[in-house]
Amino acid sequence: AQTVTQSQPEMSVQEAETVTLSCTYDTSESNYYLFWYKQPPSRQMILVIRQEAYKQQNATENRFSVNFQKAAKSFSLKISDSQLGDTAMYFCAFLPKYIFGTGTRLKVLA
Amino acid sequence: DAGVTQSPTHLIKTRGQQVTLRCSPKSGHDTVSWYQQALGQGPQFIFQYYEEEERQRGNFPDRFSGHQFPNYSSELNVNALLLGDSALYLCASNTGGQNEAFFGQGTRLTVV
Repeated sequence: AQTVTQSQPEMSVQEAETVTLSCTYDTSESNYYLFWYKQPPSRQMILVIRQEAYKQQNATENRFSVNFQKAAKSFSLKISDSQLGDTAMYFCAFLPKYIFGTGTRLKVLA
Repeated sequence: DAGVTQSPTHLIKTRGQQVTLRCSPKSGHDTVSWYQQALGQGPQFIFQYYEEEERQRGNFPDRFSGHQFPNYSSELNVNALLLGDSALYLCASNTGGQNEAFFGQGTRLTVV
């Protein structure tokens, strides 16, 4: 069975600093997609970044980038130049099985 | 573009009752998925609808059922409500199986 594990329930980072959120997964599938979603207190889940498993290049979206290690089944999210608005729950998600991790609560400190 | 819209935003029901939650997908999207998110947890996949058919289903009992209409909007029905059904119910839409899903703001269901 596929699983997604986020081992850091809570993290904090100073504004303008860099933070890395961890995610590991387990699957026997060869073709899959990985996503990071952000859920602020407003509750709406917002896509941060996506990675196709067949692509070796790590995805990047502005201040957000991933470190995708397919052999190790690891998919970490790096947030550079953290901003107060980055404060939220962050979920790692695996498709095609629609599995989400338990989330990491990130607090950006002024 | 209104994005994914869900109604109602909050709902209080009594144990044993039935509830219907509604979702309108983002314009151009034909696939709707429903999730249950308990407090402090990640979303749990309930089911997905495409072309008015249930295409995939998570590990939820038959009390949870759904429907998709020709305009791609969807309903989630839960019968015989239990206290444990209290959660945030999220609807997400997308096109194609692997594209990123866009989420609505959810319906907060409280069962008392």
